[in-house]
Amino acid sequence: DTGVSQNPRHKITKRGQNVTFRCDPISEHNRLYWYRQTLGQGPEFLTYFQNEAQLEKSRLLSDRFSAERPKGSFSTLEIQRTEQGDSAMYLCASSPGNGGGQPQHFGDGTRLSIL
Amino acid sequence: EDQVTQSPEALRLQEGESSSLNCSYTVSGLRGLFWYRQDPGKGPEFLFTLYSAGEEKEKERLKATLTKKESFLHITAPKPEDSATYLCAVEGNFNKFYFGSGTKLNVKP
Repeated sequence: DTGVSQNPRHKITKRGQNVTFRCDPISEHNRLYWYRQTLGQGPEFLTYFQNEAQLEKSRLLSDRFSAERPKGSFSTLEIQRTEQGDSAMYLCASSPGNGGGQPQHFGDGTRLSIL
Repeated sequence: EDQVTQSPEALRLQEGESSSLNCSYTVSGLRGLFWYRQDPGKGPEFLFTLYSAGEEKEKERLKATLTKKESFLHITAPKPEDSATYLCAVEGNFNKFYFGSGTKLNVKP
């Protein structure tokens, strides 16, 4: 069990640029979640995948955000035309996906800073 | 509206001074309640899962309990290394997770 891996750990970019983050879940975990966390707040749900299918997206996820999990393994989260308000920690989590009540296991996140 | 509320927002304890953190929730279709610990700059680390009212789980100085509307995380004789933010999450319908804002615990030696 190598844990959930996220890359890069930090990303600094100028407003208006596009950024892409990668998440490698624990192998054989079917569910993969993306969250956004700002200082002093808990993780805020963005979207989740069951294998390669994206099953739910938060209303907070504007059309500038897109996520993929093409082969049901790793996932990418892309933010287009970044804005100051996108500055946050982006967390990825995975779980076995065998019904409900399974804990999520988190990576250490990608911290995005918009200049 | 599905919601998880944690209190207090921050808690300062002396080493050895026991206390409790609260997590109250209004989430439809509870499938599990989870406690996590988060250190600065790190992702949340899983601690406990509770499934039904009356259930209790223990790990070292931590004990989590669950009622129909809230959960408590009891910390007995805490040590400075227990300092962290403790997050509560509830899984509701459609495998969606709702997190509270956390309690930031600071244990002074």
